[in-house]
Amino acid sequence: DSGVTQTPKHLITATGQRVTLRCSPRSGDLSVYWYQQSLDQGLQFLIQYYNGEERAKGNILERFSAQQFPDLHSELNLSSLELGDSALYFCASSAARGTVNEKLFFGSGTQLSVL
Amino acid sequence: AQRVTQPEKLLSVFKGAPVELKCNYSYSGSPELFWYVQYSRQRLQLLLRHISRESIKGFTADLNKGETSFHLKKPFAQEEDSAMYYCALRGGNSGNTPLVFGKGTRLSVIA
Repeated sequence: DSGVTQTPKHLITATGQRVTLRCSPRSGDLSVYWYQQSLDQGLQFLIQYYNGEERAKGNILERFSAQQFPDLHSELNLSSLELGDSALYFCASSAARGTVNEKLFFGSGTQLSVL
Repeated sequence: AQRVTQPEKLLSVFKGAPVELKCNYSYSGSPELFWYVQYSRQRLQLLLRHISRESIKGFTADLNKGETSFHLKKPFAQEEDSAMYYCALRGGNSGNTPLVFGKGTRLSVIA
């Protein structure tokens, strides 16, 4: 167990809907990263937060947004869902904010299915 | 731009045979390179990082800046090595650059 908790494990919804994925980092970790994993694209970096502030942005669609709360948990909001948004969404945490040799600890992911 | 290429989606080897999982990267500066592994029904986890020059579970990886490669090697594959392997790169030292992953290679070790 990496100590990173993601809920829910599975989510089935319809096109056009909005969902929220939740991530609790390891105790003491200040950085949270969100990744999207699909069969054809592999692991795509979406966004990083450090101690409540956005630190880096990757291939995140405008329909997606995220935030990190004072207790350091993070939520990824996906809206106007499309079939192509179906994927496994991973959260990872680390103590540092993208420094040398930083090790990421991954959650078990949320499998999103858009029907 | 930072990019990681893992040319093989699937690699099948026999138990006891040598393994080499290829990883090539694109980055103009000095990169930090990592290998992550995901065993069946387990989380993605760090296998090794180039800066540590370590050997984990018999795997090693050498950074070759001339060839921009960071291939993962093991002299004798074991069945428990079957997993999904991801090469990852972090470029720059600004503290704001996240890990960029390749698309992964599924290693299947056949008994």
